[in-house]
Amino acid sequence: NAGVTQTPKFQVLKTGQSMTLQCAQDMNHEYMSWYRQDPGMGLRLIHYSVGAGITDQGEVPNGYNVSRSTTEDFPLRLLSAAPSQTSVYFCASRSLYKAGGRETQYFGPGTRLLVL
Amino acid sequence: GESVGLHLPTLSVQEGDNSIINCAYSNSASDYFIWYKQESGKGPQFIIDIRSNMDKRQGQRVTVLLNKTVKHLSLQIAATQPGDSAVYFCAESNNDYKLSFGAGTTVTVRA
Repeated sequence: NAGVTQTPKFQVLKTGQSMTLQCAQDMNHEYMSWYRQDPGMGLRLIHYSVGAGITDQGEVPNGYNVSRSTTEDFPLRLLSAAPSQTSVYFCASRSLYKAGGRETQYFGPGTRLLVL
Repeated sequence: GESVGLHLPTLSVQEGDNSIINCAYSNSASDYFIWYKQESGKGPQFIIDIRSNMDKRQGQRVTVLLNKTVKHLSLQIAATQPGDSAVYFCAESNNDYKLSFGAGTTVTVRA
């Protein structure tokens, strides 16, 4: 198992450019999510998905789009990058149906994004 | 504002000593709490979790304590090692889909 993988590891964008952050998991997890992490702050939820074709907003969804066409992939799209979107982005996944209660989330290694 | 926070942003501990990291939460409806460890340049890694029907849970060298009366969560690390140097986050949830993180405590282990 590769777990949760993210590409690219690092990206520099100019204001107004668009790009897609890739996330994939090979654990057949129903739930996937995107967080951003800014200096001195905890992770903040951007969007999440509970299965293919189902997505919902988290705490800070503005400026980001997601889609979930397969169980494995959950890309995050920046429509028109802004300097305020400079951050480290983490993708996570977990099973929704573990016996005994909530399963822990597994995080990817992160994508560092710099918007100039 | 954030529903979860940590009392101290940094903690310096001597190798071999026990560490205690604290976390306060404000959402009384939260019923699930997690501690994560994040090393430099990596994603958060699960340490231990606890549900609201428990007061204490132990893992390997770690113990989580939950005091629902004062909405306080703590992580105790026994015999702290250099590899324990990292940022520690508490997180809380009251549903299956959204997890709220605190700001984190940076733990530095002195040799």
